[in-house]
Amino acid sequence: EIVLTQSPGTLSLSPGERATLSCRASQSVHNNKLAWYQKKPGQAPRLLIYGTSSRATGIPDRFSGSGSGTDFTLTISRLEPEDFAVYYCQQFGNSPLTFGGGTKVEI
Amino acid sequence: EELLLESGGGLVQPGGSLRLSCAASGFTFSTYAMSWVRQAPGKGLEWVSAISGDGGKTYYADSMKGRFTISRDNSKNTLYLQMNSLRAEDTAVYYCAKEPRSSGYFDPWGQGTLVTVSS
Repeated sequence: EIVLTQSPGTLSLSPGERATLSCRASQSVHNNKLAWYQKKPGQAPRLLIYGTSSRATGIPDRFSGSGSGTDFTLTISRLEPEDFAVYYCQQFGNSPLTFGGGTKVEI
Repeated sequence: EELLLESGGGLVQPGGSLRLSCAASGFTFSTYAMSWVRQAPGKGLEWVSAISGDGGKTYYADSMKGRFTISRDNSKNTLYLQMNSLRAEDTAVYYCAKEPRSSGYFDPWGQGTLVTVSS
């Protein structure tokens, strides 16, 4: 099973700042099949990025994904107030599907 | 608009059973693989189980094998999760989610249904 480790656990930033979230895999993710989700309390998770760098439908271009192999990054170029949430990475290249532990982006 | 609506959650005693449902609308249900994902209180997301579009293939996380059964009724656009031998550690919000192109990632997700296992 691939273990995904997200860092930092919490990121304290202000609106307008840049956020850089890391997701490290215990082994190489097949075909870089990695996704990112945004989760707010009481809401369903929302897909942001799939296939490492492809933005999902309707996702603003301030969200971008990069990386390969075992190291992946989600970047939010300029934080908007609605971006403060928990972010999860997920690999779908190997069975079983696994998620990281999450990074909380707070004000 | 693609929508998923879970139901069937509630309070159940350890060792008990519960069946969750997920009603889908806004897309051709039978052509997509579907999954269940859960989130325990204060914890992260955990994939539970997946099923192919025609229902012929099913997959489970190791900790759920033999206790949970995923199924679907394509005539009713509904996904199910039968959960038996429930444990306190199964307490979580359970989400159903569609897999675009049966890919293994999830979009969209339902709002979730809370399952509480407690005496």
